[in-house]
Parts: sequence; structure tokens; C-alpha cells
Amino acid sequence: EDQVTQSPEALRLQEGESSSLNCSYTVSGLRGLFWYRQDPGKGPEFLFTLYSAGEEKEKERLKATLTKKESFLHITAPKPEDSATYLCAVQSSGADSWGKLQFGAGTQVVVTP
Amino acid sequence: DSGVTQTPKHLITATGQRVTLRCSPRSGDLSVYWYQQSLDQGLQFLIHYYNGEERAKGNILERFSAQQFPDLHSELNLSSLELGDSALYFCASSPQTRGRKQYFGPGTRLTVT
Repeated sequence: EDQVTQSPEALRLQEGESSSLNCSYTVSGLRGLFWYRQDPGKGPEFLFTLYSAGEEKEKERLKATLTKKESFLHITAPKPEDSATYLCAVQSSGADSWGKLQFGAGTQVVVTP
Repeated sequence: DSGVTQTPKHLITATGQRVTLRCSPRSGDLSVYWYQQSLDQGLQFLIHYYNGEERAKGNILERFSAQQFPDLHSELNLSSLELGDSALYFCASSPQTRGRKQYFGPGTRLTVT
């Protein structure tokens, strides 16, 4: 069964203090790994898709990387508006997966001024 | 705004009752996914429809059912409600079968009293 584990559960950062979030996964054939951002009470907002080991994607202060067993989301010089829960999800290439996303529990990030 | 709409935003009902949640996907998207998010379970995949046909089921209870109509909107029906069904219910859509990027709606918060 596909599994996604995110660490840490929570992260408190000072504004400008860079850090990384970890997403480790086991999946029977990775079709894609996804990062989403979720604000309290709202729907997840898509950030990145990574498809193969070695791939990297960037958006503003965020950079996602992928290896064969884990993905990292690096937050560079965060601002208070980067405060959110960051969710990692995998999509399996299995015949019965049909696009289903398996989510991790998320990392709650708080950035203080 | 992801382009996915969900109604209602909030729903409060009693145990034993039945409710219907509605989702309109982004224009042109053929796939609709339903997810449940509770505090102790995180985001869990329920069911996937593609162009009116059921394609995959997750850990969806027998008391729950869904359908996708010819105009591509989808409804999630929850019956014989229990306190533990209280959660956020999200709909997501994507433009392909076995879709990669999924766009999430704002969710319906269900409270069962």
C-alpha cells in the first residue's frame, strides 16, 4: 500500500529563516509527487508536480526536489504569508489507482515577523 | 480561485439524516474526485468519476455514494449520518483520466450533531 510520511509535523520559523520540509514515500511505481499548500478551512492549493528523481521546481520562495524515496520542499527567506500547512501527495502508476492522490498528514508552518 | 465550486459551504445536520454535497468541476475537466478531511485522518480519497463513470474507490463507506451527471457536475450523498462523519469534504477536478494536477474546491464543512 502506498504510504506518505511528512516531517516535521510543525515548524515555527522567524521571517527570513530558511528551512526544509521532508516527504518520504513508498509507492508501487511513482506517477507523480505533488505539493499543495492549505490555509485553515480552505481547499488545498496546487504548488508543484515532480515526476522523476533529480527533478526540481521553483516558485518564488519555494523549491521542491525529488529523489527515489523522498521529496523536499525548501522555503527560502520565508515571510509571514508563507504560513500554511504544506501537504505532500503521491500518485501511483498502478492499474487501479486512476489518479487517486495519497496524502501525507502535512507540515504546519508558522512564520513570525 | 481554482475554478471548482462546491455547495453548500457549511452544513449542520443531525445523526441519522441524509445530505447531498454538490460539486461543479472546472470548465472542460472530465474527472471529479471526492476527498474527506478530518482532524484525525487527514485528507482521504473517497471516489473518482471520469465522464460519468466510476473509475476508482477509496475507503468510502457503504452509507456514502456519488454520481457524476451528463453536465459533469457531481454529487456526494451521505446517509445515516454519524458523529464521526463530521469533516471537510473536498471535490477536485483534473483535465485527464488518471489526471496529474488536481484542482481542489473550497470544500463543504459538514457538522453532524
